[in-house]
Amino acid sequence: DIQMTQSPSTLSASVGDRVTITCRASQSVSGWLAWYQQNPGKAPKLVIYAASSLESGVPSRFSGSGSGTEFTLTISSLQADDFATYYCQQYNSYPLTFGGGTKVEIK
Amino acid sequence: EVQLVESGGGLVQPGGSLRLSCAASGFTFSRYYMSWVRQAPGKGLEWVANTKPDGGEKNYVGSVKGRFTISRDNVENSLYLQMNSLRAEDTAVYYCARVRDVVGNTPTGGHWGQGTLVTVSS
Repeated sequence: DIQMTQSPSTLSASVGDRVTITCRASQSVSGWLAWYQQNPGKAPKLVIYAASSLESGVPSRFSGSGSGTEFTLTISSLQADDFATYYCQQYNSYPLTFGGGTKVEIK
Repeated sequence: EVQLVESGGGLVQPGGSLRLSCAASGFTFSRYYMSWVRQAPGKGLEWVANTKPDGGEKNYVGSVKGRFTISRDNVENSLYLQMNSLRAEDTAVYYCARVRDVVGNTPTGGHWGQGTLVTVSS
């Protein structure tokens, strides 16, 4: 199984900060990597797919990059709506696997 | 508008069974891979199983193989998860999810339901 490791597990930041979350795969997933945002008590929401493609309706302050085993999600200027937990997921091979999550909290 | 509505969750004793349902609307259900994804209380997301559009191919995470069965009814536009031999560690919110796209390699969670809680406890 492919292990997905996110860092950090928690990130404290302020509105307006630039934030970067890293996701590492235990083996190559090519570019088949997605990022999801989840607010407490809600279903996840797709933010980035194919490592760097922005999902429709998602603000352009979100961006993704990477390929192979190392990926990043960047929020260029953190807004109040962005305080949430973010998960990466590889969909290159079965079983599909998620990272452990990164909680972005208010500093 | 894509809608996915799960039902069937509840409290069940260890070793018991439960069947979850997901009613889909707002899209051509028979064209999309569908998945179940779960989230234990306070924990992260775990993909459980998926099924090909025609129901012919099914994939599972190792921890549920032989205990859970995913199925679909493309006439009723519904997805199911039959869960047998339930364990305490199966306690979670179970989400129904539709892939983003009809074709190609596409992320699991293009659209999600609101989830249904399964609690396994005596």
